[in-house]
Amino acid sequence: QSALTQPASVSGSPGQSITISCTRTSSDVGSYKLVSWYQQHPDKAPKLIISEGNKRPSGVSNRFSGSESGNTASLTISGLQAEDESDYYCCSYAGSNTWVFGAGTKLTVL
Amino acid sequence: EVLLVESGGGLVQPGGSLRLSCTASGFTFSSYAMTWVRRPPGKGLEWVSGISGSGGSLHYAGSVQGRFTMSRDNSKNTLYLQMSSLRGDDTAVYYCAKSAGGLIVDWGQGTLVTVSS
Repeated sequence: QSALTQPASVSGSPGQSITISCTRTSSDVGSYKLVSWYQQHPDKAPKLIISEGNKRPSGVSNRFSGSESGNTASLTISGLQAEDESDYYCCSYAGSNTWVFGAGTKLTVL
Repeated sequence: EVLLVESGGGLVQPGGSLRLSCTASGFTFSSYAMTWVRRPPGKGLEWVSGISGSGGSLHYAGSVQGRFTMSRDNSKNTLYLQMSSLRGDDTAVYYCAKSAGGLIVDWGQGTLVTVSS
């Protein structure tokens, strides 16, 4: 069982906003300042979309945003598009070149 | 442009061994920590192992500790993952990735390892 808990699936219609939560369930996982989010389309490599809780790498749409409250980090996707249908993972750095991933959330765009 | 190209995947019998390689280009390889992440079929991403830029610091997930050995050759810009005593639950796409500042920033396209008799 991962130390980061995500919902298995979320869905939304085009144009809507959705939020994926990531809750820390273990004290072994580091600070949420080091939470990142990855998008992975089928048969593709994961892509970093949010770093340090709320920073977007260059080239990532501003429809993607991150936040945190208490033990929970969240990824919000606004203005849903068909191309956003994908798997999303939260990830926390645990120090010394080690990481913990959430189990992943499958986003379906209806 | 950062480019990471994995190779060495394939079909191997349970209990067998396999060595994965990852050739890096587009950045100063020795300056960056590297990591291996895998995705079993139908499951999520799992961090496997990480190595410092010099190769002097190594860490492994509990599920592979004692069976997998990660190494790097900075003169060849190449990362390795030696896998032994392979089991069915090691079946996965294995990704090589570059890390910086606590982030996994660049990923290869992955290589499939299938453990089956």
